[in-house]
Amino acid sequence: NAGVMQNPRHLVRRRGQEARLRCSPMKGHSHVYWYRQLPEEGLKFMVYLQKENIIDESGMPKERFSAEFPKEGPSILRIQQVVRGDSAAYFCASLRGSNEKLFFGSGTQLSVL
Amino acid sequence: KQEVTQIPAALSVPEGENLVLNCSFTDSAIYNLQWFRQDPGKGLTSLLLIQSSQREQTSGRLNASLDKSSGRSTLYIAASQPGDSATYLCAVAQGGSEKLVFGKGTKLTVNP
Repeated sequence: NAGVMQNPRHLVRRRGQEARLRCSPMKGHSHVYWYRQLPEEGLKFMVYLQKENIIDESGMPKERFSAEFPKEGPSILRIQQVVRGDSAAYFCASLRGSNEKLFFGSGTQLSVL
Repeated sequence: KQEVTQIPAALSVPEGENLVLNCSFTDSAIYNLQWFRQDPGKGLTSLLLIQSSQREQTSGRLNASLDKSSGRSTLYIAASQPGDSATYLCAVAQGGSEKLVFGKGTKLTVNP
């Protein structure tokens, strides 16, 4: 079991470009969460998805950010027209079922120049 | 709004010492509480999960307790080792989507 796989590990974008972050959950896990960790800040919830459905996006900025978890393939967190303030570590986590441990990926470090 | 606080922010101890990390939360209506470990530049590893109906969980040298009514949890590490050096994060899950609210962590350094 390969664990939660995130890629790329590091992503550098210039202001105004798009960033696409990918996450493959653990085998058998159908719940995916995205969290953001800003420097000197704790992890903040962004969005919770199940296959083809967004369940809770209360932590997502209203503009420029979107997430999907298609029937086939990884979950994608998409940030359009990135700004310097988007620089952070973005973590994906997956869960098999209710009230079980959450497994995290190693994260994608996004740097916006 | 749920808030999670961890004290102390940093802790340095000599190898072999027993230690306690503290976590408090403002809303006692939680689904579960988890303790994680984060190593620099890496993701989080789940250490212990305590369901809201439980009082404690143990794994090896780690023991976590939960007092829901007072909004507190502790992580006890016995016979600390240099390999335990990491940031320890406490997080509570609210009902429904089970999204986690994290504390800012306690950075632990165990000196050989």
